[in-house]
Amino acid sequence: AQKVTQAQTEISVVEKEDVTLDCVYETRDTTYYLFWYKQPPSGELVFLIRRNSFDEQNEISGRYSWNFQKSTSSFNFTITASQVVDSAVYFCALSEAEAAGNKLTFGGGTRVLVKP
Amino acid sequence: DTGVSQNPRHKITKRGQNVTFRCDPISEHNRLYWYRQTLGQGPEFLTYFQNEAQLEKSRLLSDRFSAERPKGSFSTLEIQRTEQGDSAMYLCASSQTGTGKNEQFFGPGTRLTVL
Repeated sequence: AQKVTQAQTEISVVEKEDVTLDCVYETRDTTYYLFWYKQPPSGELVFLIRRNSFDEQNEISGRYSWNFQKSTSSFNFTITASQVVDSAVYFCALSEAEAAGNKLTFGGGTRVLVKP
Repeated sequence: DTGVSQNPRHKITKRGQNVTFRCDPISEHNRLYWYRQTLGQGPEFLTYFQNEAQLEKSRLLSDRFSAERPKGSFSTLEIQRTEQGDSAMYLCASSQTGTGKNEQFFGPGTRLTVL
């Protein structure tokens, strides 16, 4: 069975500080996908980033960056120079291969509060 | 290109009543998923369709729950004889196979309150 753990339940920062969100996952699949979603107070889940299990290259996309390490089953996410609009709940999610349905398994979420 | 839409956005019902939710996916997406999210938790998978075929149902989906996707377009989720434990946000998502991206795009959700 797949499992995603987000140990941090809430993080509070002051605007312009960097925020790193931790995510640890468990799966027996060799092909899988990892995602980060943002859920603002309005409630809609917004897709942020995706990473395939066979590509450990870490990237930066605007103020977002991620650190994927298969050896430790971790997929951490960083928001650089946080802004008040970044305040939301962030979910890490794990998906199986497309042939198996791509069903998402979510972590419990980390609430990020960015204070002005 | 419109996103995923869900109706209604909120539903308040009394215990024992039946409720039905609708989801309209992104038009070219062939897969449609239903998830349930309770307060303070991450979403949990309920069921999914590929075109009109329902391919998998979670153990969370009791006999009181039924989902359909006639003609492979919109989908409905019905809950019969609602219980207070059914109170949650019901989220719909859609995706397109064969793109290599495997991203699911979510609707705004239907928040159900069972009194």
